[in-house]
Amino acid sequence: DVKVTQSSRYLVKRTGEKVFLECVQDMDHENMFWYRQDPGLGLRLIYFSYDVKMKEKGDIPEGYSVSREKKERFSLILESASTNQTSMYLCASSLLGLEKLFFGSGTQLSVL
Amino acid sequence: GENVEQHPSTLSVQEGDSAVIKCTYSDSASNYFPWYKQELGKGPQLIIDIRSNVGEKKDQRIAVTLNKTAKHFSLHITETQPEDSAVYFCAASGQAGTALIFGKGTTLSVSS
Repeated sequence: DVKVTQSSRYLVKRTGEKVFLECVQDMDHENMFWYRQDPGLGLRLIYFSYDVKMKEKGDIPEGYSVSREKKERFSLILESASTNQTSMYLCASSLLGLEKLFFGSGTQLSVL
Repeated sequence: GENVEQHPSTLSVQEGDSAVIKCTYSDSASNYFPWYKQELGKGPQLIIDIRSNVGEKKDQRIAVTLNKTAKHFSLHITETQPEDSAVYFCAASGQAGTALIFGKGTTLSVSS
């Protein structure tokens, strides 16, 4: 089975801190995605990557950046965390473009 | 860009009844429409998908229908069971086919 592992299930950070959310997949997938999930808003795409060192902005990239130095790892970076970035963050990967995304269990980030 | 509307936001049914969730999309170029199920504490999981060259697809108790002219697609669950209780998300291919745009989700509750 494909496994997408997010480094932390729960994370509490302070306003202004630099935050790293890590995601690792074990199936040699080319494509990786970061979504943010908020009640009543569904899943919103932050960034995605179709290759190592490649990144594309999604619908809500402001305040975030990403890093993909290795194929299996896709990191989401909050340069200066703010309270409105308190949310559930979901990482996903896929072998074939948009088909069959495999999601991690999510990281619930609280910014105080 | 693509916009996906999903209704209803909550749905309660009795065990054995059918459940229908509807989505509309805005971008006529969208050609891939998956449905994901998210159980409590887990990431979303693909349950069924359909491409724009197909009008209907069925997998045991679940089916998806697509009306390209009206730009809407629906998820049908028959003979619902308590384990069908979850949040369901529809999605459509957006950003020139490079990313999935999700609806806001439907919380389905099946009572026995």
